[in-house]
Amino acid sequence: DAGVIQSPRHEVTEMGQEVTLRCKPISGHDYLFWYRQTMMRGLELLIYFNNNVPIDDSGMPEDRFSAKMPNASFSTLKIQPSEPRDSAVYFCASSFYPGHSPAYEQYFGPGTRLTVT
Amino acid sequence: QQPVQSPQAVILREGEDAVINCSSSKALYSVHWYRQKHGEAPVFLMILLKGGEQKGHEKISASFNEKKQQSSLYLTASQLSYSGTYFCGTETTGNMLTFGGGTRLMVKP
Repeated sequence: DAGVIQSPRHEVTEMGQEVTLRCKPISGHDYLFWYRQTMMRGLELLIYFNNNVPIDDSGMPEDRFSAKMPNASFSTLKIQPSEPRDSAVYFCASSFYPGHSPAYEQYFGPGTRLTVT
Repeated sequence: QQPVQSPQAVILREGEDAVINCSSSKALYSVHWYRQKHGEAPVFLMILLKGGEQKGHEKISASFNEKKQQSSLYLTASQLSYSGTYFCGTETTGNMLTFGGGTRLMVKP
């Protein structure tokens, strides 16, 4: 298995531009998570999906952020317009949940390092 | 609410032992431990279940005290490869983890 795939790996953009991050989860996984990691705030959950449906987006910082999962094998995280404070590493992770606790492990993608100048 | 990890950083010599603690203010279904090396993604180490069950991974083991809502990660006879940042993730609702701030571990020769 190729694992979780993210693209691009690095993105440098100017303030005000639209940024789209992409993720392909592991086949068969029914949960997909988007995280943001910074030195100041650590690893934060932004949003997660179950069977392509957004379940909890309370971690999305503001309306500039949006996420979609049109099918089981693809998700996007979009920032429009981007700001310098959005600079961070964005991770996508996927897992299979048996339907009862405890949760199974999450498999993280390599991340996208976003720099907004 | 984010679980609290301690210490924030630790430096060891090869062969020394370390303990990393994770404490939550909420009742937990499980605790997960991940290790992240510099510039890489977090990698799963183990899951701790309710009931104080202890799990092991190589020379890394952990415990979970359900009543105290605490977990500890034990690294024995540390190796250079153990260097990295360790995160605990606490599960309070189905399949959603909240990660602690991380503990940076450096193992020196």
